[in-house]
Amino acid sequence: AQTVTQSQPEMSVQEAETVTLSCTYDTSESNYYLFWYKQPPSRQMILVIRQEAYKQQNATENRFSVNFQKAAKSFSLKISDSQLGDTAMYFCAFVDNNAGNMLTFGGGTRLMVKP
Amino acid sequence: DTEVTQTPKHLVMGMTNKKSLKCEQHMGHRAMYWYKQKAKKPPELMFVYSYEKLSINESVPSRFSPECPNSSLLNLHLHALQPEDSALYLCASSQDGTAIKNIQYFGAGTRLSVL
Repeated sequence: AQTVTQSQPEMSVQEAETVTLSCTYDTSESNYYLFWYKQPPSRQMILVIRQEAYKQQNATENRFSVNFQKAAKSFSLKISDSQLGDTAMYFCAFVDNNAGNMLTFGGGTRLMVKP
Repeated sequence: DTEVTQTPKHLVMGMTNKKSLKCEQHMGHRAMYWYKQKAKKPPELMFVYSYEKLSINESVPSRFSPECPNSSLLNLHLHALQPEDSALYLCASSQDGTAIKNIQYFGAGTRLSVL
């Protein structure tokens, strides 16, 4: 079975600083997708970034980037120039061919950005 | 437009009540999902509809009854719920229910309290 592990239940960062959230996963498949979702206090889950396993280049979306280490099965999220609006729960998620489009979520990391 | 709309935002019901949650999307997506989320936990998949047919039921108790009247609308009918069913109920949609590259778009959820 696929598993996704986020080892940091809570983190904090000063505004304008950089923070990295870690995620590891386990699968025997060669093709899969990885996602980072953000859930602010407003509750809506918002896609932050997506990475396809076949692509070696790390995905980037503005201040958000990933460090995808396929051999190590690691998928960390780096947030640069942290903003107060980045305060949220962050969930790492995974999907592969065994599960169709069913997401497997990690336990989440609560990020607090401090002024 | 990547909006998934859920109503109501909040719902309080007694254990003998019957109520319904509603989810709507106009992105032309053919897969829709219901998730249950407890505080500080990741979402747990309940049901998946693909092309208006129930494709996945994750062993959810019969007091939860999903319905997909058309490709844009998803309902969750609630009857004789228990206090432990209190949670955030999230709806999501994706282009279809099989391609692993598809992104799931989430609504803001309904916060349900069962008294």
